[in-house]
Amino acid sequence: EAQVTQNPRYLITVTGKKLTVTCSQNMNHEYMSWYRQDPGLGLRQIYYSMNVEVTDKGDVPEGYKVSRKEKRNFPLILESPSPNQTSLYFCASSLEPVYNEQFFGPGTRLTVL
Amino acid sequence: AQKVTQAQTEISVVEKEDVTLDCVYETRDTTYYLFWYKQPPSGELVFLIRRNSFDEQNEISGRYSWNFQKSTSSFNFTITASQVVDSAVYFCALSEGGYSTLTFGKGTMLLVSP
Repeated sequence: EAQVTQNPRYLITVTGKKLTVTCSQNMNHEYMSWYRQDPGLGLRQIYYSMNVEVTDKGDVPEGYKVSRKEKRNFPLILESPSPNQTSLYFCASSLEPVYNEQFFGPGTRLTVL
Repeated sequence: AQKVTQAQTEISVVEKEDVTLDCVYETRDTTYYLFWYKQPPSGELVFLIRRNSFDEQNEISGRYSWNFQKSTSSFNFTITASQVVDSAVYFCALSEGGYSTLTFGKGTMLLVSP
């Protein structure tokens, strides 16, 4: 089944404790992206990747890191999480750049205490 | 900078009513792409439609229709004869040609009651 998977789905952590949210797609998509969703703000793009080893900032990249060592994986890293990073995170992928339909993962709900 | 405005934060209708969700966008590019996504209460994001800036033809898919008007920079979404299953948050999004970012509006929550 074609899908984007994210792990974990739920995470509660404390300020400053490094964490990684994994994202993997099995559709051989070139483009991958991370978004965060907050009440009243919609979805905002954090980082995106056009292809392996090519990543760039979205609208809200501060406090996040990403890497794209393999085509299928695009992990989101929070080196020192803070409470303002409490949010619902979505990973997405598409065959070509963003003007194609994006397939979204199920979301990761992160709480930073 | 690109921008998407969904002025309607929440809409409540009764089943079988028609409802229109508004989307107004701003861009300096002549080439751009517009999208609508649906987020039902279960939380996943579902692609509904993509439209490029050179195609102003309106689209109909079952009870769903989309009205793209470049003159008013709008890409509105109408649900005809709404159903309870249409209850969701609907997002409009914009991608400017040549760029790889996607900007979402803040979403409109649609509540359809029986």
